[in-house]
Amino acid sequence: DQQVKQNSPSLSVQEGRISILNCDYTNSMFDYFLWYKKYPAEGPTFLISISSIKDKNEDGRFTVFLNKSAKHLSLHIVPSQPGDSAVYFCAAEATSGSRLTFGEGTQLTVNP
Amino acid sequence: IAGITQAPTSQILAAGRRMTLRCTQDMRHNAMYWYRQDLGLGLRLIHYSNTAGTTGKGEVPDGYSVSRANTDDFPLTLASAVPSQTSVYFCASSGGRVNEQFFGPGTRLTVL
Repeated sequence: DQQVKQNSPSLSVQEGRISILNCDYTNSMFDYFLWYKKYPAEGPTFLISISSIKDKNEDGRFTVFLNKSAKHLSLHIVPSQPGDSAVYFCAAEATSGSRLTFGEGTQLTVNP
Repeated sequence: IAGITQAPTSQILAAGRRMTLRCTQDMRHNAMYWYRQDLGLGLRLIHYSNTAGTTGKGEVPDGYSVSRANTDDFPLTLASAVPSQTSVYFCASSGGRVNEQFFGPGTRLTVL
């Protein structure tokens, strides 16, 4: 039972354009959502997060949007840069202090 | 440098052999986690520890065991390795809210 799903295994965009990565979840108890970025041969690193009491959180070029009614969140990267090329994981947490559930990941490639 | 170290970086192992993956953190985090990353499946939690002396099972615990004798170390043991345990293993830790997880660089394990 995949409670967090990233339906796009890969995404390719041109440098300077917007990258939109999507994530869907099924567990209505999830109340905190995170995005992690992973480069090859490295561990994932935390990128940005959002609480269920918000619908948007912005940090520089990165913005996460949450649509609770649709159980959907997305990560927008504007403008995209070649250094953003990585695997992006969506993760969700049901209650404070509980464990994270990760999606399958999306490989983003930003072409110069 | 503060962070998480994992050893070995990579290992090729014959099926049936015993193997221990090491993980050490120097951030004095209470919680530690072991994940495996497989293509198309994302990061799946194997075992976790909320504090020294306690451990718990994650999503895919079968064939693995852990111990948490102290705050810093969280070894993962495969008692009798099987080819389906071929994967990349990540150790992580968190000091407060679970969402602040820090990951190690990973161990690539191949079981033949």
